[in-house]
Amino acid sequence: EAGVAQSPRYKIIEKRQSVAFWCNPISGHATLYWYQQILGQGPKLLIQFQNNGVVDDSQLPKDRFSAERLKGVDSTLKIQPAKLEDSAVYLCASSGQGHYNEQFFGPGTRLTVL
Amino acid sequence: GENVEQHPSTLSVQEGDSAVIKCTYSDSASNYFPWYKQELGKGPQLIIDIRSNVGEKKDQRIAVTLNKTAKHFSLHITETQPEDSAVYFCAASIGSARQLTFGSGTQLTVLP
Repeated sequence: EAGVAQSPRYKIIEKRQSVAFWCNPISGHATLYWYQQILGQGPKLLIQFQNNGVVDDSQLPKDRFSAERLKGVDSTLKIQPAKLEDSAVYLCASSGQGHYNEQFFGPGTRLTVL
Repeated sequence: GENVEQHPSTLSVQEGDSAVIKCTYSDSASNYFPWYKQELGKGPQLIIDIRSNVGEKKDQRIAVTLNKTAKHFSLHITETQPEDSAVYFCAASIGSARQLTFGSGTQLTVLP
């Protein structure tokens, strides 16, 4: 079974530029999550999708971050404009149906904002 | 919202010794407590989880205990090996399909 795929793996941009990350979840997984992991901290949920609908985006800085999951499969997370404090690893995870299904994480995209 | 505290932040043990990592949570409605292992450059990987209707769960060298009354849970690794060296995160949620709130992580180093 293929895991969660993310690209790019690394990205370096200057502040005020825009950037986009892509995630392909495990086939058949209805739920998709984007997490932000700042160095030395645990992952923090940004947004959760159930199929192509948003379940929870309460911690997404909506003035600069946006995410979409068209057709309920792949997802993209965008930052525009980026700030220095956005430097982090952006993790995508997916899980199947059910109340206690494991979240499988991708390898993440390491973003450096200069 | 939920708040999860984890300690210690770093832990060094000799190969073959045991390691214990502890977490506390704040929301009494939380009922699912997974533990993740994260190696350098990789995403977190689930190693064991426990639900609130169980007090202890074991899987080979790894065990997790849960005290609902005190709202804390712990990870126990016995007979540690160098490949156990990684960052370990605890988390809590109301069911795994809901958002996970992670602890701040423990860097475990197993010395040969």
